[in-house]
Amino acid sequence: ETGVTQTPRHLVMGMTNKKSLKCEQHLGHNAMYWYKQSAKKPLELMFVYSLEERVENNSVPSRFSPECPNSSHLFLHLHTLQPEDSALYLCASSQDLASGGVYEQFFGPGTRLTVL
Amino acid sequence: AQSVAQPEDQVNVAEGNPLTVKCTYSVSGNPYLFWYVQYPNRGLQFLLKYITGDNLVKGSYGFEAEFNKSQTSFHLKKPSALVSDSALYFCAVRPILKAAGNKLTFGGGTRVLVKP
Repeated sequence: ETGVTQTPRHLVMGMTNKKSLKCEQHLGHNAMYWYKQSAKKPLELMFVYSLEERVENNSVPSRFSPECPNSSHLFLHLHTLQPEDSALYLCASSQDLASGGVYEQFFGPGTRLTVL
Repeated sequence: AQSVAQPEDQVNVAEGNPLTVKCTYSVSGNPYLFWYVQYPNRGLQFLLKYITGDNLVKGSYGFEAEFNKSQTSFHLKKPSALVSDSALYFCAVRPILKAAGNKLTFGGGTRVLVKP
């Protein structure tokens, strides 16, 4: 499999559930990102990992918890979400940030999350 | 802080006619600029980027964009639109400063509808 994959593609959960989103990249990149895409709002950067270390946390509520066990995998653990958290969650990857180059990000297809 | 404005929520164009999607930006110092396209139920796909040099940048699928520093604009263009170009287009900016990492700020998106 090539590129950036995300599972599941669709997720419906109650406000008291705990679930996890998974992202895997097969591009040999060292940086990974989580974005939230809501209707009628710009794409929001949530977290950035570079070389498996979190380098950005954009004031995201603690009910979202990221995990990056290695450079190929990124998780977003979800617990006690709110209905307003319903959105498309996109994962992306790019080459290493530390090298200072200008690298485009490659996106996965997203997980469509609905919180009831 | 940087920002991106895409003034048009939707652009309608007839197939075969020129397509322009507008983008203006605000950033401290010089920018790196990107265009991405999103097809239904898919993640964002990279189209092109401006780093330095020639103000006219050519990208994928026949798209090009022109960087205009005085107008702080980076409009996306295609000489002859195809029905298959119908999608959501995003402009993004990041500062040149290395400290900014690879953090992109996205515009709100412009929906392009190409009619046969």
